[in-house]
Amino acid sequence: QKEVEQNSGPLSVPEGAIASLNCTYSDRGSQSFFWYRQYSGKSPELIMSIYSNGDKEDGRFTAQLNKASQYVSLLIRDSQPSDSATYLCAVKGGYQKVTFGIGTKLQVIP
Amino acid sequence: EAGVTQFPSHSVIEKGQTVTLRCDPISGHDNLYWYRRVMGKEIKFLLHFVKESKQDESGMPNNRFLAERTGGTYSTLKVQPAELEDSGVYFCASSGPTGLANYGYTFGSGTRLTVV
Repeated sequence: QKEVEQNSGPLSVPEGAIASLNCTYSDRGSQSFFWYRQYSGKSPELIMSIYSNGDKEDGRFTAQLNKASQYVSLLIRDSQPSDSATYLCAVKGGYQKVTFGIGTKLQVIP
Repeated sequence: EAGVTQFPSHSVIEKGQTVTLRCDPISGHDNLYWYRRVMGKEIKFLLHFVKESKQDESGMPNNRFLAERTGGTYSTLKVQPAELEDSGVYFCASSGPTGLANYGYTFGSGTRLTVV
């Protein structure tokens, strides 16, 4: 079992729709959870972090965390073509080490 | 604020040669990490420095890889001798104070290493 599981996609959504990206993790002791966006050929860029159960909103982005289910998600409202990228779920354990999922490729269709 | 800088951006070397990658973290960031992404795979942890000390090097694949961070500033990652399976993108990242659970990383632009 992988430590951080994501569907590699691609996930295609029409412009203006809500994109829903999901991630599960195996280590129940994980403390912090992150979503990174990576454009092709570029470095990952941190877009959201969450550490408490529930929702955290930042602009068009909402991160959701359910520690009981070991599940993290990212919602992107009003998706734009510029949101097309690979979204990496990342989980931090007790020693600062962050483990990444393989990433979900999102395609927003104009 | 300058970001995390990596050099070179690309490197093509022959099997058996030596390559040294460099990373300059954000000024004041004590934590420095090396990660590697092989094509089609996840970004994998290699090691973590806190200042000049190796906090965790559990991800280093073998003794052909040597990382240093003299003086707690920039870091180098040497691969000697390089093998074909070492090809990939090597990312460096840095972060602020240890213990703040929500600190994400700032990544450098990566070094794309190709071993032929």
